[in-house]
Formats: sequence, structure tokens, C-alpha cells
Amino acid sequence: DTAVSQTPKYLVTQMGNDKSIKCEQNLGHDTMYWYKQDSKKFLKIMFSYNNKELIINETVPNRFSPKSPDKAHLNLHINSLELGDSAVYFCASSQEGNRGQETQYFGPGTRLLVL
Amino acid sequence: GDSVTQMEGPVTLSEEAFLTINCTYTATGYPSLFWYVQYPGEGLQLLLKATKADDKGSNKGFEATYRKETTSFHLEKGSVQVSDSAVYFCALRESQGAQKLVFGQGTRLTINP
Repeated sequence: DTAVSQTPKYLVTQMGNDKSIKCEQNLGHDTMYWYKQDSKKFLKIMFSYNNKELIINETVPNRFSPKSPDKAHLNLHINSLELGDSAVYFCASSQEGNRGQETQYFGPGTRLLVL
Repeated sequence: GDSVTQMEGPVTLSEEAFLTINCTYTATGYPSLFWYVQYPGEGLQLLLKATKADDKGSNKGFEATYRKETTSFHLEKGSVQVSDSAVYFCALRESQGAQKLVFGQGTRLTINP
């Protein structure tokens, strides 16, 4: 039973292309996230959605557009891919409640390589 | 903004050695603190957490205590195994504002048999 799943696991593409990464969670959580992990393993939040509404939008180029069709899905679309977009992208989810104590559950990651 | 600083890696130990990975934080308010582990080629898994001062989180022989006075959350294990080889991330969850999860830079741990 996969809790947070992402597709594809690997994505190799050319500069300038447009691509999407999909994320689904079956935990019944109300909040989902996208994180970027660079080549030095540094992890940074990109977006957060709560009940399909955008909550966190960090300083991310507007080539990146998250879309949440329902509470269980948060997809990431990237336009005009650049070399610097190469990274591992992680989706996560949590059930929000009190004071930010809630654990976030992470997907397996999507390894994006832009050539 | 809030931040987390972890011990620089990589760390290499022999099996059954004692492990400490230091983590300190800067935050407004009273954040929750987490340790996540990332095994090779996999996503992050929660290892343990603590939500208030003096709480001790523990799991799989690892433990960490939330020390407000020193703003620290050091990870320890008394006897490491080869299977503990992974990257370990300390993180805090803001208690105010957007309540983001803020990660440290990660510490790569290798355990040799």
C-alpha cells in the first residue's frame, strides 16, 4: 500500500520542453507539498496546498505551476525546462491540525535530468 | 527566517560505534523538531520527532532530545549498524505563519563492517 506515490520515477528531457510530475496520496490528508532536492542534497519547499488551495508559494520561477484537482492529488507542471531544473522533486502530504506538529509523509521522489 | 544547521558530513564509522549528529536551530516561537532519514535511492522517512521542550523522540535505537536552552536536537545511537548508512536530515516545523518544514543540509552517514 503506497501512501504517497509519484510518477514518473525518472524523467530525462531536453532543455525547453514542458513536463509534468504527478503525485497522489491515499492517506486522506488535506495538505500536500512539493520539495526540490538539489545535487548537494539540500531540500527546500516549493509549494503547499491545503484542501486544494495554495498556502505556500516560495520564490519559485513562474515556469513551475502546481495543480491540485482534488485533495488527494498535487501535480507539478514545468514549462521551458532549464539545465538548473535538474534535481530530485519530492511530493509530501500531511493532515494539518494544531501548531505545525504534524508529520509530513514523503513520496519516493522524481529524478529529473534536463539535457 | 527560521533555519537549521547540521553537522557537516560525511561521517564514517565502524559498526557498533556510538553516533552523534549535531543539529541546532534558530526559530521564533516554539517549533516542532524532526529527524528524517533518506536511504540510497529512496524518499525521506520520518525517524523521530519532538514537539516541545525536553521531549525525547526515539525510534529504531535512535534518540534526540529537544533542548530549548541550547536550541539543539542532536541525534544519537549507541551502536550503529551497516544498515544505518543513509543521509540524515534535521528539520523544524515553524509554529507560526506558514508553518513550513525547514531542513538542515543533511549529513551523509556511512557505516563500515
